[in-house]
This record gives sequence, C-alpha cells and structure tokens, in this order.
Amino acid sequence: DAGITQSPRHKVTETGTPVTLRCHQTENHRYMYWYRQDPGHGLRLIHYSYGVKDTDKGEVSDGYSVSRSKTEDFLLTLESATSSQTSVYFCAISRTSGGESTDTQYFGPGTRLTVL
Amino acid sequence: QKEVEQNSGPLSVPEGAIASLNCTYSDRVSQSFFWYRQYSGKSPELIMSIYSNGDKEDGRFTAQLNKASQYVSLLIRDSQPSDSATYLCAVRQGGATNKLIFGTGTLLAVQP
Repeated sequence: DAGITQSPRHKVTETGTPVTLRCHQTENHRYMYWYRQDPGHGLRLIHYSYGVKDTDKGEVSDGYSVSRSKTEDFLLTLESATSSQTSVYFCAISRTSGGESTDTQYFGPGTRLTVL
Repeated sequence: QKEVEQNSGPLSVPEGAIASLNCTYSDRVSQSFFWYRQYSGKSPELIMSIYSNGDKEDGRFTAQLNKASQYVSLLIRDSQPSDSATYLCAVRQGGATNKLIFGTGTLLAVQP
C-alpha cells in the first residue's frame, strides 16, 4: 500500500459534462501519473507530474488536462467528457528512496468512469 | 512507437505446475523491467523488478532478462489457483524520464 487514494471510485456522467478525478498520496512522492486502462490496450499514460505545477503529456493526453497545486494531490480533468473516455483510470506514484525518485510505480485503487 | 508485447492468453496451467509468462520489448536502451499482477477489478500490484541480465528469484517467482534478445519472462513455480490473474509486463522508457510502457497483459488461469 503506497498510501494512494482515488476519488470518486465510480462515476457515471453524460457526454459533454466536465469531470474531475482526484488522486491523493500521503507519502510526499515527487512523481505522480494518470493512466487509463481499456480492454485490448492495456495501461496507457495520460499525463504525469514531476513536482508541484510541473506536468507533462503522456501518449493519450488529448481531451485531458491535469493540475498539481500541492505535492499530495494530482487532479485529472475531462473538460467535456465523451463516450470514448469511458474507462478505468489509475493513478500511480514513483516511490522515493534516499531523496531520489525510483522508477518503481505503485498504483491507486482506480476510478471506473462511464460516460453515457 | 516503443512497444511491449505479451501474449494475451489465456494461459492455462494445472495447479502445482510452472507457469511461464513472456514479454518482448522494442526499445533497446531500456534498463528497467517490471512484472505486475492484476486481479479482475483490482489495481496492478508490483511483483518484481529486474535490471540486469539473468535470473532474479523471489519466493515462487523468478524473473528472467535477456537484453540482447529484448526479452523478459516471469516464471511462477508451484502455481496456485490464487495466482490466476492478468500479468502485466512494463518497461521503463530510455532517457531521464520515469515513464513506463505496459504490455496488454497475459491472463493466467491455474486449474485446481
């Protein structure tokens, strides 16, 4: 358990509505990630953060934005949800060792999002 | 596009047998490799990491890495029904980033 929580755990929304998913960590790790997982595609990186206000795009970032105003929180926003964004969303952290970020990632419990 | 390939399965083995899960990757400069287990409806759970060529053992699990062949595998000895899950292979991208590329996973079914 890497002290990661995600909220909400389940959400059903309608096309065109904004949605924000929250990832919260309690261990002060520098790197945080957002993935989506879909059948046949595996886990794909949406965005990641390497510090407060420092974020970058992953391979499937279109339609998503992120913000990190505090070390412990990493928010993923779907500005206008579409049915293609129906997925399971996982947050992850890279554990810190000796003050440096390692490349070992640990995952939160996930958020199941359905866009109707 | 850097890729990580896994056979989707299902791989079916009898209880007590050795399960062998395989993964190939395309990025020759990759240095870090990971195996995750994911039960249905749950999040991925790290099993093992491996960084050097050869074998790394942890209990019933052995990870094997061959960088020349761009191949990493996971062996599960004395397979148990509780090992039934999807196993994800992940490879760290080359360069300064901590980003991982995941395979689509292999579904393992251990038959009692």
